[in-house]
Amino acid sequence: DTGVSQDPRHKITKRGQNVTFRCDPISEHNRLYWYRQTLGQGPEFLTYFQNEAQLEKSRLLSDRFSAERPKGSFSTLEIQRTEQGDSAMYLCASSFALAPEGLTDTQYFGPGTRLTVL
Amino acid sequence: DQQVKQNSPSLSVQEGRISILNCDYTNSMFDYFLWYKKYPAEGPTFLISISSIKDKNEDGRFTVFLNKSAKHLSLHIVPSQPGDSAVYFCAASGNYGQNFVFGPGTRLSVLP
Repeated sequence: DTGVSQDPRHKITKRGQNVTFRCDPISEHNRLYWYRQTLGQGPEFLTYFQNEAQLEKSRLLSDRFSAERPKGSFSTLEIQRTEQGDSAMYLCASSFALAPEGLTDTQYFGPGTRLTVL
Repeated sequence: DQQVKQNSPSLSVQEGRISILNCDYTNSMFDYFLWYKKYPAEGPTFLISISSIKDKNEDGRFTVFLNKSAKHLSLHIVPSQPGDSAVYFCAASGNYGQNFVFGPGTRLSVLP
């Protein structure tokens, strides 16, 4: 299967704990996005990478959130000191773009990681 | 403040008829628009896109219309099939796809 994969699919944690999610994009894609989706809403942009460079971060990405893509392949999203408001579906998407400022090809989404903070 | 709006949370259509899903945006800098379909427990799946230099784009049963002056786009599905039942998201970008803003979605039910 060459689609976007995310791990884990579900995560239940207690408030104050740290969690880390992983995204494996389609192998030839150089652009990787993280989104958050809450019930009844569309995906909200968090951040994106062009290869290993993190080019943009939303103001939604507080200091407790950090994302990395160290080798330009898979990416991790870490949430420190989780809060109940962090409960959401975290979606990863990948695409191909010719240049950092270039038009991206179609975004392909993974199945998401559903986070529940108790 | 929602920059991309889908004012109909749900829509029901009879099989074989046309489904029209609407999307309005407020940011005049948006120049690239996409529609995604989402089934439960899956990530969104790309359907069709349109750039601001065009006012129509077709792909099989799916057609997207863009009215820049009204800041409005619509997705037409003809003929509608039960397998089209899903949540449809409109998304927009103002810098060639580097940062997408999604609407809240419209749940389409196609009744057999």
